[in-house]
This record gives sequence, C-alpha cells and structure tokens, in this order.
Amino acid sequence: AQKVTQAQTEISVVEKEDVTLDCVYETRDTTYYLFWYKQPPSGELVFLIRRNSFDEQNEISGRYSWNFQKSTSSFNFTITASQVVDSAVYFCALSEPHGGSQGNLIFGKGTKLSVKP
Amino acid sequence: ETGVTQSPTHLIKTRGQQVTLRCSSQSGHNTVSWYQQALGQGPQFIFQYYREEENGRGNFPPRFSGLQFPNYSSELNVNALELDDSALYLCASSLGQTSDEQYFGPGTRLTVT
Repeated sequence: AQKVTQAQTEISVVEKEDVTLDCVYETRDTTYYLFWYKQPPSGELVFLIRRNSFDEQNEISGRYSWNFQKSTSSFNFTITASQVVDSAVYFCALSEPHGGSQGNLIFGKGTKLSVKP
Repeated sequence: ETGVTQSPTHLIKTRGQQVTLRCSSQSGHNTVSWYQQALGQGPQFIFQYYREEENGRGNFPPRFSGLQFPNYSSELNVNALELDDSALYLCASSLGQTSDEQYFGPGTRLTVT
C-alpha cells in the first residue's frame, strides 16, 4: 500500500541553522512522483518540488535542497541557513500515476518547523 | 499566489445541514481535486474531476459529492453534516489527470457544531 511517513512531528531551530526534514515513502509502483509542499499559517499549500522516480539527481534551489534515495525510499528536504519566514508545516507527498490513488497525492502528516530569531 | 480561489473562507454549520464549497481553478487547468485536512493531519484526497467527469475518489462516503463546470470551476457538496466533517477543505487545480503539479487554493475552513 502507498504510504508517506514524516517521523518528525515538530522541529525547532534558531535562525541560520540548517535543518533537514525527513520523508520515507512506500509504494509498489516503479513509476511514481514525490512532492514537497509548504503550508504557512494562512493555510494555503505552496508547491515546492516534484521529482519522478527515474530521476535520483539531487536538486538545489536557493537555500532549499532535496536528497532522493530510492535505496532507502527517502526524499529528504534540507533548508540551509534557515529564516523565520521558513516557519511552516511541510508536507511530503506521493503520487502513483498508474496505481490505486489515480495519480492523486498521498500526504504525510507533516512536520511543523519553527525558526526562532 | 496560485490563481486558485475558494469560497467561502470560513463557514459554520450545524450537524445535519448541507454545505456547498466552491473552487475556481487556475487559468488553463482542466482538473480539480478536493482534499480534506483535519487539524494536525495531512490532506486526504476526496475526489478529482477531469473535464467535468469524476475521475477518482478517495475513501469518503457518498454524502460527499461534487461537480465540475464547463469553465472547470468546481463545487464540493456535503450532505448530512457530521461533527467530524469539521476541517479545512482544499481545492487543487492541475493540467491533466495524473501526477501533475497540483496548485492549491487557500482553503475553506468548515466548522460543524
């Protein structure tokens, strides 16, 4: 069955610290997509990244980077030099275009990140 | 901003009542998905509409129903409201049926008393 686990419920860091948010997924499909979304207190989910299962290259976008490892079924997200504006709940999600979820997003429970000044 | 809008922002209903939530998709997107997010949880997929047809459904009872209109906007209807229906309802639009980037609206906060 498809599942996304974000073991860290809450993380608190001081500004400028680096922080890594963990995501472990389960799927039987060989073709799937992984996502990260940010949910600030306003509630709107903000798309951050999508990776497909055939592309294990790590990606960097500014202070954000993602480490995709199929061998451990993990898709971790690192924020370098965190800022107060990074405070939010971060969700990892899985989609299986040919699987039982009809391509819709299966979310983890989220990790609440608090960045203190 | 994603260009996806939802109305109303907040809503309070009484158990047993019916409610309609609305979503306007991003320009050019033909697919709308609805999610329910209970407090402290990740969003859960309710259903998806693609070109006015229901294209998939999560584990929600039939009293959750929807529509998509020719302009690709969408409605979510919930009948016989229960206390557990209190949640943030999120609408997401995308181009195509599967695994495309879904862009979310701000959500409707429904409280059932």
